[in-house]
Amino acid sequence: EAQVTQNPRYLITVTGKKLTVTCSQNMNHEYMSWYRQDPGLGLRQIYYSMNVEVTDKGDVPEGYKVSRKEKRNFPLILESPSPNQTSLYFCASRDTGSATNEKLFFGSGTQLSVL
Amino acid sequence: GQNIDQPTEMTATEGAIVQINCTYQTSGFNGLFWYQQHAGEAPTFLSYNVLDGLEEKGRFSSFLSRSKGYSYLLLKELQMKDSASYLCAGVNSNSGYALNFGKGTSLLVTP
Repeated sequence: EAQVTQNPRYLITVTGKKLTVTCSQNMNHEYMSWYRQDPGLGLRQIYYSMNVEVTDKGDVPEGYKVSRKEKRNFPLILESPSPNQTSLYFCASRDTGSATNEKLFFGSGTQLSVL
Repeated sequence: GQNIDQPTEMTATEGAIVQINCTYQTSGFNGLFWYQQHAGEAPTFLSYNVLDGLEEKGRFSSFLSRSKGYSYLLLKELQMKDSASYLCAGVNSNSGYALNFGKGTSLLVTP
């Protein structure tokens, strides 16, 4: 089954403790992206990747890192989480980076709480 | 972003028709998507428009006017399960073909 898999689904952590949210897709997609969703603010893009070893900042990249060493994986790293990073995070992918008519496939989301 | 604007909330009655509007800035515009999102779940694809006009898909239709920077999603024969958030998103070629989302319209369908 074609899917985007995120883990964990829920995560509670403390300020400053490094964490990684994993994302993997099995559709051989070139393009992958991370969004955060907050009440009243909608989905905002954190980082995206057009292909392996190609990543770029989205609208809200501060406090986050990503890597794209393999096509299928696109982990989101919070080196020193802070309470303002408490949010619902979604990973998404689509076939190609520059296509404008391809829909995004979303993972199930990761609800992160930073205490 | 592309300043995607859509109403925050709407309420409609089961069996009725509802239209959810979306406006966007046209600079760098390269297509418009509508997604449905139930609370706590991932967004799911509803429709895509890049040319002017109406695209119909069952009970859902989506309209686009590129010159006006305007789109709407039309939901007919509303069902209780249509209660969800509806997200308008524009493709922006000026920012790596990112999908820029509006804040979403929360639709409540009442009996």
